[in-house]
Amino acid sequence: GQNIDQPTEMTATEGAIVQINCTYQTSGFNGLFWYQQHAGEAPTFLSYNVLDGLEEKGRFSSFLSRSKGYSYLLLKELQMKDSASYLCAVRSATDSWGKLQFGAGTQVVVTP
Amino acid sequence: SQTIHQWPATLVQPVGSPLSLECTVEGTSNPNLYWYRQAAGRGLQLLFYSVGIGQISSEVPQNLSASRPQDRQFILSSKKLLLSDSGFYLCAWSQGAGANVLTFGAGSRLTVL
Repeated sequence: GQNIDQPTEMTATEGAIVQINCTYQTSGFNGLFWYQQHAGEAPTFLSYNVLDGLEEKGRFSSFLSRSKGYSYLLLKELQMKDSASYLCAVRSATDSWGKLQFGAGTQVVVTP
Repeated sequence: SQTIHQWPATLVQPVGSPLSLECTVEGTSNPNLYWYRQAAGRGLQLLFYSVGIGQISSEVPQNLSASRPQDRQFILSSKKLLLSDSGFYLCAWSQGAGANVLTFGAGSRLTVL
């Protein structure tokens, strides 16, 4: 199985940068995903990493180190609308059907 | 383009009553389909997944069942609801395995009283 750990909550100021860390343990690795979930809504896809390194997509970037079982999601130039829960999810290499195991999520609160 | 529909959006049911949540996907064929549950303040828990018509795999023992009567239709059911079945239920789909992204429906919020 997989253990996925991420902080419960983070608070940052509008315009600032926040880094959300995620560590995982898995019997085999086949990709790490980040999702954003606003309260009462469904999660929406943000980023995907399968190789080591940084993937940049506008204000959001995601980093992966497979040897360390570690990823982070970097949110730059924070806006009020970025207040949401951010979910780290891992796909196992032993799973041929594309299932994802999710962490509990990190609630990001953006203050004025 | 592909779209996923899930209904009802909200329902309040008494303990012991039946449940049926429906999910359909449009614009694709032979998708992988999933049911997740999210309890308040908790992460997403995978309940069922399906890779084809009539093929259902259960991840955790529970009071719920799933069926896939058609290629793009996925149904979550219960004969008798428990209080612990309350939560936010999310249907999702992906195409094939590997890197393909999991896309979620809007969710169904179930409250069992």
